[in-house]
Amino acid sequence: QVQLQESGPGLVKPSETLSLTCDVSGGSISSYYWSWIRQPPGKGLEWIGYIHYSGSTKYNPSLQSRVTILVDTSKNQFSLKVTSVTAADTAVYYCGRDSQPRGSGSLEDWGQGTLVTVSS
Amino acid sequence: QSALTQPPSASGSPGQSVTISCTGTSSDVGGYNHVSWYQQHPGKAPKLMIYEVSKRPSGVPDRFSGSKSGNTASLTVSGIQAEDEADYYCSSHAGSSIYVFGTGTKVTVL
Repeated sequence: QVQLQESGPGLVKPSETLSLTCDVSGGSISSYYWSWIRQPPGKGLEWIGYIHYSGSTKYNPSLQSRVTILVDTSKNQFSLKVTSVTAADTAVYYCGRDSQPRGSGSLEDWGQGTLVTVSS
Repeated sequence: QSALTQPPSASGSPGQSVTISCTGTSSDVGGYNHVSWYQQHPGKAPKLMIYEVSKRPSGVPDRFSGSKSGNTASLTVSGIQAEDEADYYCSSHAGSSIYVFGTGTKVTVL
């Protein structure tokens, strides 16, 4: 079981870019699929996208035009950028690791989550 | 893709069985065996309870079980306990290597 920790600004202004990093410890990022999930306050979970350690990505079609996920194997971390944010992007953002090396969409390890508020 | 449909709430007395449904379409739940279930306590990160329809990760009590019939997946908690009171979410592969979550169900232990 690996440990994941999200980090980044807790407050972002409207129209700016949200940037978060997920540090992976207790295991190598050079295997498995790595995901970002978000949860608006009081609401349900939304899948944002994932990245394979090789760099291949897949995004939620509803967010695809604004989202980029990158991996840095030298730092054992991956990151999320969301451009042109609005209040609707206010949420707790989680990073997670797939339970299967081949990818199954099931996240067995999660970060604690970080709240990002979009406000001027 | 649209969120999978779950009942907003479910409840049961301690020791009873509680079943939560997760309804999708043939393009997601019905078309793939990549259905997962998560438990989320207030203020906490979700915890994986079931993956690939019916498999339990190590450490998850065997009172949690999953199944699927057609476009509907189900999570059953047999002999529900007080600590099982939480929100539960399903998720499924939705084609083209993307995934979708369910709307969530709040489970109350009476």
